Amino acid sequence: GAGVSQTPSNKVTEKGKYVELRCDPISGHTALYWYRQSLGQGPEFLIYFQGTGAADDSGLPNDRFFAVRPEGSVSTLKIQRTERGDSAVYLCASSLSGGFGNTIYFGEGSWLTVV
Amino acid sequence: AQKVTQAQTEISVVEKEDVTLDCVYETRDTTYYLFWYKQPPSGELVFLIRRNSFDEQNEISGRYSWNFQKSTSSFNFTITASQVVDSAVYFCALSETTGANSKLTFGKGITLSVRP
Repeated sequence: GAGVSQTPSNKVTEKGKYVELRCDPISGHTALYWYRQSLGQGPEFLIYFQGTGAADDSGLPNDRFFAVRPEGSVSTLKIQRTERGDSAVYLCASSLSGGFGNTIYFGEGSWLTVV
Repeated sequence: AQKVTQAQTEISVVEKEDVTLDCVYETRDTTYYLFWYKQPPSGELVFLIRRNSFDEQNEISGRYSWNFQKSTSSFNFTITASQVVDSAVYFCALSETTGANSKLTFGKGITLSVRP
């Protein structure tokens, strides 16, 4: 596709459940990012992939959060034992390469609500 | 410490007014990049501009212009003759060399409302 595609666009889940959020980056982009945006805040970095490997996962809040990118294209963000505080918009982004200063292009996000 | 400060939280203007969105950043790096993104109600962050720390030349793109001043660590964004379609949340962001990748640090955003 032309842009970064994310599914689902909206997800409501019960506290304690497992959730997967999917991201399909711009074709040809080797770098992929996940960000989280809480209401009234700017996006906050979660994890960065260069190819298949997670090159920087310093933003993941705890071990309930995990992400994969097995073939270097589509990525899945996985959240175990969801908590109400996990409610946010999860934004995926990609860039042509992961080098410093590259422009990052974002998707429309997956709105997660934990009830 | 907050690295990107957008002190204005909400701005409301009448269509055709000019409006300036302020951004102040903090970094110890001599090489860095600054960005502005627009987030309309749909939620997607739309890239507007990227500026590297060695290029202090102001830039104009249609009704948009950017004023980068290293002396005051500011990268302000002006919309001339605002339109209703400019209503959105605008984010300023910083990318530093210490990150070793394009990781961005965002400000909290400025909500701009343009009234007809």
